Amino acid sequence: GQSLEQPSEVTAVEGAIVQINCTYQTSGFYGLSWYQQHDGGAPTFLSYNALDGLEETGRFSSFLSRSDSYGYLLLQELQMKDSASYFCAVLARSNYQLIWGAGTKLIIKP
Amino acid sequence: DGGITQSPKYLFRKEGQNVTLSCEQNLNHDAMYWYRQDPGQGLRLIYYSQIVNDFQKGDIAEGYSVSREKKESFPLTVTSAQKNPTAFYLCASSTRRKEKNIQYFGAGTRLSVL
Repeated sequence: GQSLEQPSEVTAVEGAIVQINCTYQTSGFYGLSWYQQHDGGAPTFLSYNALDGLEETGRFSSFLSRSDSYGYLLLQELQMKDSASYFCAVLARSNYQLIWGAGTKLIIKP
Repeated sequence: DGGITQSPKYLFRKEGQNVTLSCEQNLNHDAMYWYRQDPGQGLRLIYYSQIVNDFQKGDIAEGYSVSREKKESFPLTVTSAQKNPTAFYLCASSTRRKEKNIQYFGAGTRLSVL
């Protein structure tokens, strides 16, 4: 089977840096994606890693290591508006569909 | 403005009733998806369609049905066979066969049972 594991909740302080981890078990995938979802809202795409290494997009960076079956999302200079749930998802080779993790709720304290 | 429109925002279903959730997109995307989200959980795929007049079952298709008669529209019917329909339903679309498969989501429909 295919599954992704994320911590259910992470707490950080405004202005700090936080890392949200994602470990996966999958037989084959194209890449690892990250989405953000505010409470009651729609998920929005943040980042995608097709290859091992770091991808940077402003305050957000995402990392993938296929040999370790592991990825993470790094958020810098945290702002209160970053309080949301963050989902990792892999794009499966078998049917070109996204398989989603259960999400990590990020709580930011002033 | 291009985007995905879901309606209604809130929907109530009576016992034994079928209800239909609307999803329309003007992004000219070939692929469309329906997901179910339960509190504190990730997204589970109900149905997807990669082209007009064709659709595939996802992981939790039982009790649901869809149609794809037009590129822009992908309605979801929650049938009376779905015994636990209370959830947040999200529709998404993407450009077919692009490597990233970036999905764009509507604002969702929250379905409750009366």
